[in-house]
Amino acid sequence: GDSVTQMEGPVTLSEEAFLTINCTYTATGYPSLFWYVQYPGEGLQLLLKATKADDKGSNKGFEATYRKETTSFHLEKGSVQVSDSAVYFCALTSSNDYKLSFGAGTTVTVRA
Amino acid sequence: DGGITQSPKYLFRKEGQNVTLSCEQNLNHDAMYWYRQDPGQGLRLIYYSQIVNDFQKGDIAEGYSVSREKKESFPLTVTSAQKNPTAFYLCASSLLTGGQPQHFGDGTRLSIL
Repeated sequence: GDSVTQMEGPVTLSEEAFLTINCTYTATGYPSLFWYVQYPGEGLQLLLKATKADDKGSNKGFEATYRKETTSFHLEKGSVQVSDSAVYFCALTSSNDYKLSFGAGTTVTVRA
Repeated sequence: DGGITQSPKYLFRKEGQNVTLSCEQNLNHDAMYWYRQDPGQGLRLIYYSQIVNDFQKGDIAEGYSVSREKKESFPLTVTSAQKNPTAFYLCASSLLTGGQPQHFGDGTRLSIL
């Protein structure tokens, strides 16, 4: 079945540092890939998405590129802020399904 | 604005009580979902529904029940059979078309008194 493997946390960074969270997946067919962000005490918000190979999703300074050859969708941000402290989830859904498969989540803490 | 509303935000349950968590959406989505999230953990699927009056068990359905009498509403009941109900519960919805993201509510935190 479909599955997502995410880099384990927690990750602690200083403000303005570079952030990478690794995500790899196993899926049949051609999945759509997502990154969600969860701020403390809140639900999940869609951060970005990519629906086909080589697509780059971007939002709020975050980027991720759909790499079919390496089955990866790593999340990056060039200069993090304290307000980026949150839990980040990688997820996928197959083209013939509507349920999501989630990674375990990565907790990111950014210190001033 | 379209979205998903979960209520209440905080809920307390006594031992042996059933409690019902509300989830309403005005996104006109066909599919709705309930997830459980434990501290420091990922999301686990409890139940999901793709059409009114129909729903399927997810990975951890034991001790929970749902109904889908209206497209907009998908309430979750945590029964007394659920021995460890303390968790953060998230409701979501999506289109039924493949490859679509899910939209989430703000969650309900359930605690045992």
